[in-house]
Amino acid sequence: DAKTTQPNSMESNEEEPVHLPCNHSTISGTDYIHWYRQLPSQGPEYVIHGLTSNVNNRMASLAIAEDRKSSTLILHRATLRDAAVYYCILRDGYSGGGADGLTFGKGTHLIIQP
Amino acid sequence: EPEVTQTPSHQVTQMGQEVILRCVPISNHLYFYWYRQILGQKVEFLVSFYNNEISEKSEIFDDQFSVERPDGSNFTLKIRSTKLEDSAMYFCASMAGPSSYNEQFFGPGTRLTVL
Repeated sequence: DAKTTQPNSMESNEEEPVHLPCNHSTISGTDYIHWYRQLPSQGPEYVIHGLTSNVNNRMASLAIAEDRKSSTLILHRATLRDAAVYYCILRDGYSGGGADGLTFGKGTHLIIQP
Repeated sequence: EPEVTQTPSHQVTQMGQEVILRCVPISNHLYFYWYRQILGQKVEFLVSFYNNEISEKSEIFDDQFSVERPDGSNFTLKIRSTKLEDSAMYFCASMAGPSSYNEQFFGPGTRLTVL
């Protein structure tokens, strides 16, 4: 599996934007970039995904570099409830790899200061 | 909103005992997964299940583990003879289809404590 690299932790203030980076320099052309997060004492939850173009949904935005070797998850206005571990995960879009189990790294522990 | 449910929320057992962890995936989902997370460590994939058989399993999923979908709604993980190192949170997940843009929906987890 292609590997992702994320900072161990980041800190931000409430109601400010947060940019969470992810490097995936060995990404293949068919890999989708997915982001999940895990709130304290809960199971992981899906946040957003993309392939080549930037994406927006009700939770966040995903900015993907033109060469796809990095991406940034953007929380436009962080709240205390966004304090969680954020995982950047690549999923193979070729040969049915989409049904495979997810490979979680250590993720980025996001701390939100009130 | 549909959700994955898991029971029990916390299971305490003695080493060597068998445990069964239960999950009810989202209705109409076709792909099912078990993951575990040892305290303070990352989430690890155990097994995936589709069309009533195992699709993929990790090195962790040895002969002590088994999965089953006994009826149309439940998905279970059995550990035959628990060890101390099986103590962890176990998460069930389900997914509607095989595409790489489909998201996996996770349950709240079962905390397994082996004494």
